[in-house]
Amino acid sequence: KAGVTQTPRYLIKTRGQQVTLSCSPISGHRSVSWYQQTPGQGLQFLFEYFSETQRNKGNFPGRFSGRQFSNSRSEMNVSTLELGDSALYLCASTQAGNTGELFFGEGSRLTVL
Amino acid sequence: GEDVEQSLFLSVREGDSSVINCTYTDSSSTYLYWYKQEPGAGLQLLTYIFSNMDMKQDQRLTVLLNKKDKHLSLRIADTQTGDSAIYFCAERMDSSYKLIFGSGTRLLVRP
Repeated sequence: KAGVTQTPRYLIKTRGQQVTLSCSPISGHRSVSWYQQTPGQGLQFLFEYFSETQRNKGNFPGRFSGRQFSNSRSEMNVSTLELGDSALYLCASTQAGNTGELFFGEGSRLTVL
Repeated sequence: GEDVEQSLFLSVREGDSSVINCTYTDSSSTYLYWYKQEPGAGLQLLTYIFSNMDMKQDQRLTVLLNKKDKHLSLRIADTQTGDSAIYFCAERMDSSYKLIFGSGTRLLVRP
């Protein structure tokens, strides 16, 4: 069974540009959530999607957005990039219901110059 | 409020047991997790415990949960050099899939 797949793994952008990151959850998992990891702030929750609906959102500006498709794949977008957006962006998936297991992908490492 | 705290660093000798500690603040947590992160990698789920349990054992890993003190610990028996990594504890609230992470404990295993 394939794990959570994130693309691209690495990317470099410049300030003001926008970026789209993709996440394919484990087959059968319907919930996808996104996290930002930086040395200064640690791991912070961005948002969570279930059945194409955003159910929960973290404390990030509106430049951060996401969506989920009918096949449970998810994308997140960051517009007007700032230097501080440089981070590892991690996606996690889980089955619906109270199973407890929450699996992460390898992440997309974004560098903003 | 939401806050999860961990000590920053732990050094042990190979073959010894490691104990990584974590405290959390929200009594409504449903699940508590331990993840491992190696350099340049994502988060690997090690184990998790439901909030109505006191202990869970999985091979070399033992999780202890003290709900009264809101204290969670991860014991790694017979620690190996391959266990060197950063370990994160996290709590999950209610029916949400939002996790609140600690800042991570860097485990160094000396040969």
